Amino acid sequence: KNQVEQSPQSLIILEGKNCTLQCNYTVSPFSNLRWYKQDTGRGPVSLTIMTFSENTKSNGRYTATLDADTKQSSLHITASQLSDSASYICVVASGGSYIPTFGRGTSLIVHP
Amino acid sequence: DADVTQTPRNRITKTGKRIMLECSQTKGHDRMYWYRQDPGLGLQLIYYSFDVKDINKGEISDGYSVSRQAQAKFSLSLESAIPNQTALYFCATSDYNTEAFFGQGTRLTVV
Repeated sequence: KNQVEQSPQSLIILEGKNCTLQCNYTVSPFSNLRWYKQDTGRGPVSLTIMTFSENTKSNGRYTATLDADTKQSSLHITASQLSDSASYICVVASGGSYIPTFGRGTSLIVHP
Repeated sequence: DADVTQTPRNRITKTGKRIMLECSQTKGHDRMYWYRQDPGLGLQLIYYSFDVKDINKGEISDGYSVSRQAQAKFSLSLESAIPNQTALYFCATSDYNTEAFFGQGTRLTVV
């Protein structure tokens, strides 16, 4: 069964600090991995996409990494802001049908 | 206007009632999805459709049905609502291997 596991489940940091969120997956065959940001009560919005051949991809203060051999990804947030408070969801699509499998998300709270 | 519009945004209904959640999109995508989100459980796929003539069950389809009326419209029905179907429901659209675009969600409460 395809699974996506995220850690930590929740994280509290101070404004201006960096943090790293983890994602492990067992989806096979692998097609791509996306990180989504979901603000409370709103639909998720895509931050980054990574395919098998990509190791790192940045989107402003967000940097995602992918190790396809160990089936792990991370999302690093630099110089956190209050607006970064949200749930961050790792989503892995399987090859062929591209049906996405969602992780449960990491809830990030940034305190002033 | 939003790319993906869900109606209603909030709904309270009684146990045993039939309820329909509607979704429309202006992205021109073929693929549409219905997800359910419970606190701490992430998004769970209920049904998905790859085109107008295609309907597929997701992880948790029991108690739900869908209708794809047109490329742009995908509705979710609860034939006889029960309290454990209280949740936040999201509709999403995508093209083949592209990011999914989500609606604003429908908060459903079954009392």
